[in-house]
Amino acid sequence: SAVISQKPSRDICQRGTSLTIQCQVDSQVTMMFWYRQQPGQSLTLIATANQGSEATYESGFVIDKFPISRPNLTFSTLTVSNMSPEDSSIYLCSALSGTSYEQYFGPGTRLTVT
Amino acid sequence: DAKTTQPNSMESNEEEPVHLPCNHSTISGTDYIHWYRQLPSQGPEYVIHGLTSNVNNRMASLAIAEDRKSSTLILHRATLRDAAVYYCILRIVGGTSYGKLTFGQGTILTVHP
Repeated sequence: SAVISQKPSRDICQRGTSLTIQCQVDSQVTMMFWYRQQPGQSLTLIATANQGSEATYESGFVIDKFPISRPNLTFSTLTVSNMSPEDSSIYLCSALSGTSYEQYFGPGTRLTVT
Repeated sequence: DAKTTQPNSMESNEEEPVHLPCNHSTISGTDYIHWYRQLPSQGPEYVIHGLTSNVNNRMASLAIAEDRKSSTLILHRATLRDAAVYYCILRIVGGTSYGKLTFGQGTILTVHP
């Protein structure tokens, strides 16, 4: 299994600023993902974080708005840039171990943009 | 992406079995059926997955129809802790790629004491 932690757990940010969310996994994983969950809604995949190369973004999400880094097999960051109130959401990190088809999720970062 | 259809909500009593249905009529031969659940204020957690045969684990059972166009997650004895949103997801595999999990709206399960 893999245990995922995220920092910060929550934040309140001003419009126009940026926030970087950190995701740490307690073991090496093959794939990492970032999801968004708006209040009362299901999860939407933002991107797959690839180690050593650029992230792969889903339709509707772009690198300029959500730059992602993945410097090694246990860590990734997601930045929410130039925030607006519409970015208020829970952002979840997820990871997949190469030995299992079980995908693990972090507790999420609750972001409020005012 | 292949789509799943689930009831918006279901209710159960504690200690009783729960059968959560899922329709996936456009499933392809290599698509895996995954179930995750999300407890309040937590990230989703894996429940079970399967391809063609029925599957059992310590949390639940997964019954897959012979034509694979539907499946049922079975919780054998519901507890209050099982109250959650249950997501039925098709993992679409391409070549050697793991594929990705695309979440639908899920079923809100309420368990009554």
